[in-house]
Amino acid sequence: RKEVEQDPGPFNVPEGATVAFNCTYSNSASQSFFWYRQDCRKEPKLLMSVYSSGNEDGRFTAQLNRASQYISLLIRDSKLSDSATYLCVVTLSGSARQLTFGSGTQLTVLP
Amino acid sequence: EPEVTQTPSHQVTQMGQEVILRCVPISNHLYFYWYRQILGQKVEFLVSFYNNEISEKSEIFDDQFSVERPDGSNFTLKIRSTKLEDSAMYFCASSQNSNQPQHFGDGTRLSIL
Repeated sequence: RKEVEQDPGPFNVPEGATVAFNCTYSNSASQSFFWYRQDCRKEPKLLMSVYSSGNEDGRFTAQLNRASQYISLLIRDSKLSDSATYLCVVTLSGSARQLTFGSGTQLTVLP
Repeated sequence: EPEVTQTPSHQVTQMGQEVILRCVPISNHLYFYWYRQILGQKVEFLVSFYNNEISEKSEIFDDQFSVERPDGSNFTLKIRSTKLEDSAMYFCASSQNSNQPQHFGDGTRLSIL
């Protein structure tokens, strides 16, 4: 079983749409959770950390369900510039400094 | 905004040769990392470095690889006797401490011929 699993997509949505991405992780002792975005052939860039209480940053909302080992990212009012691959990232217990990446979900926002 | 810088942006090397990839982490960061991403695959952790020594490494980071902080600003990844399968994007990252998010450089594309 993959350590971090994501629906690869692609998700093609019109501008202004709301889109949700899901991610599951296999290690119940995982400690920290993040969403990164990666543009084609570029470096991963931190989008937001994910907290147990859920957190919001503008149009982006992240949720964590430790019992289900499930993380989500919601993007509201999507923009053309949101087109990217969204990477679910966790740190595993005992390896707080080692990021474990999912394979990513590709999003294309269409005009 | 401070950023992690990597050089070169693209390195082309003959199989069997040694390469050194260079990184300048963000100046007040204490933890440094190398990751790689083979084309079309996910980002994979290689190694983390703190206080002038390796703190964690993955199975990928075998004897072929080494890291060094030769001075106060540079952090290097050396790959000896390169193989075709070493072709990938190599990303350097740094963080202020082990609990802070990691910030990535824009990568070095390594092509082994």
